[in-house]
Amino acid sequence: DAMVIQNPRYQVTQFGKPVTLSCSQTLNHNVMYWYQQKSSQAPKLLFHYYDKDFNNEADTPDNFQSRRPNTSFCFLDIRSPGLGDAAMYLCATSRAGTSGRTDTQYFGPGTRLTVL
Amino acid sequence: AQTVTQSQPEMSVQEAETVTLSCTYDTSESNYYLFWYKQPPSRQMILVIRQEAYKQQNATENRFSVNFQKAAKSFSLKISDSQLGDTAMYFCAFKQGAQKLVFGQGTRLTINP
Repeated sequence: DAMVIQNPRYQVTQFGKPVTLSCSQTLNHNVMYWYQQKSSQAPKLLFHYYDKDFNNEADTPDNFQSRRPNTSFCFLDIRSPGLGDAAMYLCATSRAGTSGRTDTQYFGPGTRLTVL
Repeated sequence: AQTVTQSQPEMSVQEAETVTLSCTYDTSESNYYLFWYKQPPSRQMILVIRQEAYKQQNATENRFSVNFQKAAKSFSLKISDSQLGDTAMYFCAFKQGAQKLVFGQGTRLTINP
């Protein structure tokens, strides 16, 4: 089945120690998103890739970076995690037409990040 | 900017009952998409149902249906014959064109045996 896969499902890191979260998809969607979700809150968009074009949200801290080496994979790098970065990180994908209009977003299972 | 409001932070019903979750939104656009997503505890966010604004007919997916009132900017979700597995956080979301998905604050639904 086509899907969005996130690894690892649970990640523990130390304060200030860089961490990378991974997302892959078999849907062949050209748009990939990273969201941060804190307990009992709605997901907050960090950034997204439209093909190879990176689009950062204005309020996303510089501490968060992303890479998309190919259509299938996207990574979230947190350069120096703080206690406030402990959250669930969700990857999502969608298909966009030539106009840029995007369709339904499909979410991965998330990676729960703990910062000690 | 578009906003989405879910006025019910929590709801609780008995198994097999029907429950309706409310959602209102604000936009000046005429063509857009509305979604209901379900997120069970510690589990994946999944799409429940989708509505295209230009379609007058309300979307239906098995036990899930919506009441889309475009003029009132209302998009409620009805769950019929509720099941224990329906226990989850439900998010209403709005999307227009190439813009980002805008979520409501969520409604925590508990189905009691």
